[in-house]
Amino acid sequence: DIQMTQSPSSLSASVGDRVTITCRASQSISSYLNWYQQKPGKAPKLLIYTASSLQSGVPSRFSGSGSGTDFTLTISSLQPEDFAAYFCQQSYSAPLFTFGQGTKLEIK
Amino acid sequence: QVQLQQSGPGLVKPSQTLSLTCAISGDSVSSNSAAWSWIRQSPSRGLEWLGRTSYRSKWYNDYAVSVKSRITINPDTSKNQFSLQLNSVTPEDTAVYYCARYLSAVKTFDIWGQGTMVTVSS
Repeated sequence: DIQMTQSPSSLSASVGDRVTITCRASQSISSYLNWYQQKPGKAPKLLIYTASSLQSGVPSRFSGSGSGTDFTLTISSLQPEDFAAYFCQQSYSAPLFTFGQGTKLEIK
Repeated sequence: QVQLQQSGPGLVKPSQTLSLTCAISGDSVSSNSAAWSWIRQSPSRGLEWLGRTSYRSKWYNDYAVSVKSRITINPDTSKNQFSLQLNSVTPEDTAVYYCARYLSAVKTFDIWGQGTMVTVSS
C-alpha cells in the first residue's frame, strides 16, 4: 500500500495567518492527491482534487500544489471556520485508496 | 444536488454482522461515471477505505485486503442504494462508517454520507 504521511500532526495558528500543511507519499502518485476538511462530528468535505483543483464552492483562500511525492495545502488567511482537521488522500493506486493521518488545526 | 443518506444500527454484538445502507438521491447507483464506497474512521486506524461497487456494463466490486474475507457490498437498483455487510465483527471494527461517491473523472470522493457510529460490544 502507498503510505501517506502528513505534517505537522497538529498546528496552532491565529485568524489571518497563512498556514501550510504537507503530505508526503511513500512513492510517486503523480497528481492523484486530494485534500479534505473535517469538522467535529461531520463527514470529510472535499477541498482540493488532483493536487491543485479547487472544488466548487470552496473559498479561494484554499490552494493545493505538488506532484510526485510531495504536496502542500495552503490556507492564505485563516478564518474562524477553518479550524478543523485536514486529510490528504491518494487515488493513484485506485481502488487501494489511502489517507494521511490528519492535521488538526487549532486556534492559538 | 447529490446526497447520501445512511441508515443502520449503531450497536452490533461481537461475531455478528454489521449491516449499513446508503440511499442515493440526485445520482444513480448504476452510473457509469461513479463508484460507491464505504470508508470508516477510528482513532486507531484513521480513515480506512473498505470497498466499493461500480457499474461499467456489468457490476464490479473491489475490497480492501484488510477486510476482504468478511465484507460484501451490494447495489440495489430498485431502491437506488447500496449496502455494507461486515461479518464476524470484533471490537476493532468499532468506528464511524461513511458511504461516499467516487467520481472517476477526477478520481476523488466528492460526496459523503453523514456517518454512522457503530460500536461492537456485547
